[in-house]
Amino acid sequence: DAGVIQSPRHEVTEMGQEVTLRCKPISGHDYLFWYRQTMMRGLELLIYFNNNVPIDDSGMPEDRFSAKMPNASFSTLKIQPSEPRDSAVYFCAGSQGSPLRGYTFGSGTRLTVV
Amino acid sequence: GENVEQHPSTLSVQEGDSAVIKCTYSDSASNYFPWYKQELGKRPQLIIDIRSNVGEKKDQRIAVTLNKTAKHFSLHITETQPEDSAVYFCAAIPNQAGTALIFGKGTTLSVSS
Repeated sequence: DAGVIQSPRHEVTEMGQEVTLRCKPISGHDYLFWYRQTMMRGLELLIYFNNNVPIDDSGMPEDRFSAKMPNASFSTLKIQPSEPRDSAVYFCAGSQGSPLRGYTFGSGTRLTVV
Repeated sequence: GENVEQHPSTLSVQEGDSAVIKCTYSDSASNYFPWYKQELGKRPQLIIDIRSNVGEKKDQRIAVTLNKTAKHFSLHITETQPEDSAVYFCAAIPNQAGTALIFGKGTTLSVSS
């Protein structure tokens, strides 16, 4: 298994542009989580899905952020329009059967908004 | 909601010494406490976890202890090695629907030889 696959690994974009981050979870992992990591705030939960259904999006910072999971093998996190303060590493993670288990993280997408 | 505090934020030890990282949590319903290690530029990886029906768990040089009454848990690394240098995160999650792991802000451990 290739693990959780995220793309792109690095993204540099100009303020105001739309950014789409992608995640392919491990087959069979029915929970998918999006986290954002910054030096100041650490790992913050943005949103998570169970069986492709959003369960908790209270961590999504603003309406500029949206996430979808159209099927069990793909999820996207979109930022529109992007701002410099969105610069961070965005991780996708998954677990199987319960959120009360260790999560497997992807390699992350380092987003820089200039 | 759950809030996880982690201390210290940085920790420097000599190779062979022990390292201890402590976390406190706010939600008494929390019952799962994993620890993650993140090397520079890499993804966080689970290294050990403990559930509320257990007070201590060991895996070679790593151990985790849990005190539910005081709502704190700790990571102990013995005989530290340079490859233990990384950022360590604790996390907690209540056993209730609609929740996910809440992480502490991390501890940067540096092991010098």
